[in-house]
Amino acid sequence: QVQLVQSGAEVKKPGASVKVSCKASGYTFTDHYMHWVRQAPGQGLEWMGRINPKSGGTNYAQRFQGRVTMTRDTSITTAYMELSSLRSDDTAVYYCGRDSTVTGNFDYWGQGTLVTVSS
Amino acid sequence: QSALTQPPSASGSPGQSVTISCTGTSSDVGGYNYVSWYQQHPGKAPKLMISDVSKRPSGVPDRFSGSKSGNTASLTVSGLQAEDEADYYCTSYAGSNNWVFGGGTKLTVL
Repeated sequence: QVQLVQSGAEVKKPGASVKVSCKASGYTFTDHYMHWVRQAPGQGLEWMGRINPKSGGTNYAQRFQGRVTMTRDTSITTAYMELSSLRSDDTAVYYCGRDSTVTGNFDYWGQGTLVTVSS
Repeated sequence: QSALTQPPSASGSPGQSVTISCTGTSSDVGGYNYVSWYQQHPGKAPKLMISDVSKRPSGVPDRFSGSKSGNTASLTVSGLQAEDEADYYCTSYAGSNNWVFGGGTKLTVL
């Protein structure tokens, strides 16, 4: 069965970076784009970007350009999202989501990773 | 890229139908048939309920349906059940390899 398992919660200071992992299993990792979505406490979902696991090509939301880097390691079927220059308003749950069709239908999600940014 | 507009809340009694709207522009909702809907219970990851405007993934009850007219997409939940109480989010392809979410709608089953 398809599973996306994310890394554990993180606490970071303002200005630091965080790298969240998403381990995929149960399907061919390179056949599906992986997207990253975040949700601040009590707020809605926000699309951050996606990575093509086959080519490594990425697309980022404009507001995260220059601060986010998405990578993957096909040997261990894991996608990564690194966010730098953290601010307090980056405190959120970060999710990875598999795109089933390339058109943005996220059919499987990770369990979420809480990133807390606090001095 | 501005978020899609959803009503903050919606409600209905068990057995009734409720429709949640998702309004965008011709650059996102109106320009592509790539609108999907997600259900999210508190503390849980979102769950795909409708893909590509109106397709229902395997395992999703047929009480859930989706449609689109112009720049507005809609999710209809028929025969409301207690377990339908959750937050619902729409998302749309917005061109140039970008996606945008709606602000979310809290559905209450009275």
